[in-house]
Amino acid sequence: KNQVEQSPQSLIILEGKNCTLQCNYTVSPFSNLRWYKQDTGRGPVSLTIMTFSENTKSNGRYTATLDADTKQSSLHITASQLSDSASYICVVSDSGTYKYIFGTGTRLKVLA
Amino acid sequence: NAGVTQTPKFQVLKTGQSMTLQCAQDMNHEYMSWYRQDPGMGLRLIHYSVGAGITDQGEVPNGYNVSRSTTEDFPLRLLSAAPSQTSVYFCASRYTQNQPQHFGDGTRLSIL
Repeated sequence: KNQVEQSPQSLIILEGKNCTLQCNYTVSPFSNLRWYKQDTGRGPVSLTIMTFSENTKSNGRYTATLDADTKQSSLHITASQLSDSASYICVVSDSGTYKYIFGTGTRLKVLA
Repeated sequence: NAGVTQTPKFQVLKTGQSMTLQCAQDMNHEYMSWYRQDPGMGLRLIHYSVGAGITDQGEVPNGYNVSRSTTEDFPLRLLSAAPSQTSVYFCASRYTQNQPQHFGDGTRLSIL
């Protein structure tokens, strides 16, 4: 069964610190992997998208990595800011159906 | 550009009532989708459309209808509301299969 699992479920860090969020998937055949940021009360917003051949993609202070062999991805946030407080959702696309399988997200809280 | 606009933002219904959730996008995207987001679960696909006049079922279509008479609009209809349909509903659109999805800010629906 196609699944996307994220860890940790929630995370609290101090402003200025770095953190890494994890995503493991069993989706096959693989098309691409996306990370979304979802602020409270808002819809998800795309941060990065990676295909099979890409292993790193950056968007400002956000850096995503992909290991297609182990089916793992991570999202690294550098020098966190209060505005980074949000849920981060990993989404994997199935190249057979082009449908998206969503993880349940990691809820990040950045404290001053 | 407004992006993806969903109305209403909040709605309370009684069991058995029907209603339509509106979704409009101004980006000329062919692909549009409806998702529901429930606590502890990833977003789940209800229905989707790959162009005007074409719709298909997603993962959890029961109790919902859609139509796509224009490229811009993709309304979701609840036929006879049930408490199990209490959720946050997101509409999304994208230009092609491999482009990021753009989400609306959701409709928060409570069924009493």
